[in-house]
Amino acid sequence: EPEVTQTPSHQVTQMGQEVILRCVPISNHLYFYWYRQILGQKVEFLVSFYNNEISEKSEIFDDQFSVERPDGSNFTLKIRSTKLEDSAMYFCASRLYSSYEQYFGPGTRLTVT
Amino acid sequence: KQEVTQIPAALSVPEGENLVLNCSFTDSAIYNLQWFRQDPGKGLTSLLLIQSSQREQTSGRLNASLDKSSGRSTLYIAASQPGDSATYLCAVRGSGSARQLTFGSGTQLTVLP
Repeated sequence: EPEVTQTPSHQVTQMGQEVILRCVPISNHLYFYWYRQILGQKVEFLVSFYNNEISEKSEIFDDQFSVERPDGSNFTLKIRSTKLEDSAMYFCASRLYSSYEQYFGPGTRLTVT
Repeated sequence: KQEVTQIPAALSVPEGENLVLNCSFTDSAIYNLQWFRQDPGKGLTSLLLIQSSQREQTSGRLNASLDKSSGRSTLYIAASQPGDSATYLCAVRGSGSARQLTFGSGTQLTVLP
């Protein structure tokens, strides 16, 4: 069964460094999403992406964040200058154009020290 | 702003019992509601998606209902098994300008053998 994959599974970085989290959505999906979950808290929406542009973003998704679909398979989340409070699990999700059911990847645990 | 609440926060039941998990949301203007399962340290697995025009959806031992006007959904699990132990999350998708998924904090279910 097709699934969303994410790399790396765990990333440790120092405060102020840039990180890129990578996702490979399900191949025929056209909508892509990033969410985050701080330990012990709710899953929070960050951004949605369709047709090579951001379709919606939350107030969390400030200028430090950016997303890109550099080729036909990858979808990336970049954090330019990480802060301690960026430590969280980051989930990528995707869905078909014709269905609203979102499929999530296993997540990348980001630890900022 | 949409708020999603799940009660109870934790539930422990003996194997074989039928159980109900509750989800409530403050803004009834939703497009759909999705139930997920999250295993510790893992991603989210979609269980059921109910469109706002639907009253219920079934998949195997799972049945989800939606009462949009009262802002409530329930997830019914029949004949629970130890393998059902996980955190169950509900998420609603808004129908207005904010079409992002808003998540509840989840119900942590333990099914005792």
